[in-house]
Amino acid sequence: SYELTQPPSVSVSPGQTARITCSGDALPKQYAYWYQQKSGQAPVLVIYEDDERPSGIPERFSGSSSGTTVTLTISGVQAEDEADYYCQSADSSGAFVFGTGTKVTVL
Amino acid sequence: EVQLVQSGAEVKKPGESLKISCKGSGYSFTSHWIGWVRQMPGKGLEWMGIIYPDDSDARYSPSFQGQVTISADKSIGTAYLQWSSLKASDTAMYYCARDGSGLEYFDYWGQGTLVTVSS
Repeated sequence: SYELTQPPSVSVSPGQTARITCSGDALPKQYAYWYQQKSGQAPVLVIYEDDERPSGIPERFSGSSSGTTVTLTISGVQAEDEADYYCQSADSSGAFVFGTGTKVTVL
Repeated sequence: EVQLVQSGAEVKKPGESLKISCKGSGYSFTSHWIGWVRQMPGKGLEWMGIIYPDDSDARYSPSFQGQVTISADKSIGTAYLQWSSLKASDTAMYYCARDGSGLEYFDYWGQGTLVTVSS
């Protein structure tokens, strides 16, 4: 299987924009998904199919894709957005691959 | 409302066997794959494998093949993850999750089961 690489950490002030990247060779051919995991909780899906938002997820969460990199953008960051974020994709055999994870700190 | 409810925390000794469960409700259990994800203390998410409850077709990550067994009982809407001989390195949080669309992503997650293996 392949790897998905994320920056270990991103720091952002409240109200600013956080951008989290995820790089992988197969991303041009496969959709990417994003999960938010707050401390002590199970992950929650925040973006599916590169740029779609599930119901109940705030509009400040958005996704985009360009070549081998996908990006999760959190606009107008709030204190409650402090969490670990993981990208995920699937390889050609149907196996899921998770990114290395990014810790978002709200200053 | 879709829910995945996992069995409670376990404390085991090395060499012991264990089977943890994940009960689905609020949807057609046989129509969605159910996967298992490991999270070791302070670490990231690792995909272990997945099962289609209708026919028990199970697929494993190469990293976990032969180390665990994934099964399901569709009559009671429950999926399982089991070990025949635990190691200290199996200490982790284990999540079950429902596949959202044909082996692509997880749309609902269980609350997690903490497994501690210590002598």
